[in-house]
Amino acid sequence: DQQVKQNSPSLSVQEGRISILNCDYTNSMFDYFLWYKKYPAEGPTFLISISSIKDKNEDGRFTVFLNKSAKHLSLHIVPSQPGDSAVYFCAASAQWGAQKLVFGQGTRLTINP
Amino acid sequence: KAGVTQTPRYLIKTRGQQVTLSCSPISGHRSVSWYQQTPGQGLQFLFEYFSETQRNKGNFPGRFSGRQFSNSRSEMNVSTLELGDSALYLCASSLFTGDTNTEAFFGQGTRLTVV
Repeated sequence: DQQVKQNSPSLSVQEGRISILNCDYTNSMFDYFLWYKKYPAEGPTFLISISSIKDKNEDGRFTVFLNKSAKHLSLHIVPSQPGDSAVYFCAASAQWGAQKLVFGQGTRLTINP
Repeated sequence: KAGVTQTPRYLIKTRGQQVTLSCSPISGHRSVSWYQQTPGQGLQFLFEYFSETQRNKGNFPGRFSGRQFSNSRSEMNVSTLELGDSALYLCASSLFTGDTNTEAFFGQGTRLTVV
C-alpha cells in the first residue's frame, strides 16, 4: 500500500520555465510534508516543507502548495535552472515531531537548455 | 556547521556476514533516523532514535537493529546478510524542539553490496 505517490516518473522542462512536480497521499493522518532533491549515490537534500495548517510555503524559487481536501501537494520551481536537474522526492510524516518519513517513488526532473 | 556524516561510504560483504554502519548527526541534533534505498522499494524507513531510545520502527526483520549513544551518534547493524540487503543506507538527523515539526537532513549514505 503506497501511501505517498508521485505518479510522474519523469518530467522535462525548458530552462527558465516553471517546473511543477506533483504528489498525492492517502493517509489523512499525515500532517507534515517535505520535498527533497537527490543526485545519484548521494543523500537527499532538503528543499522545502509545509505543515498541514498551511496551504502554501515559499522559499526563493521554490513554492509548495498543499490541498488537504484533495490530499495533494505540488512543488513549483520558477524559473527552472539546469542545476535543478535531479530526482525529487515528496515525503510525509504522520507523527508530530518524529522523523518517520514516508517517501514517494520520486520524479526525475530534467531541465533542458 | 558540519553535516550528517556516515561511514563507511562503500562496503562489500559476503552473504551471512554482519555489518555495522555509523552515523554522526549534525551537532545539536538528537533525533537520528535510518532509511534504506533500493531501486525496487525506493526509500524506506528503518528506525528512529531519540535520546538513546528507539522511538519508531519500520517494517524490517529483526536482523536490522540500531542504537544511539549519549553523544547522539548512531549505529545500525545488519546480521546474517542476504543479497537483498544490498542498498544505499541513509542516515538523517533532525533538531527535535518539542513544539514544532522539523526537517530531517540526510548524510551521503553508505552503499552496501552483498555478494
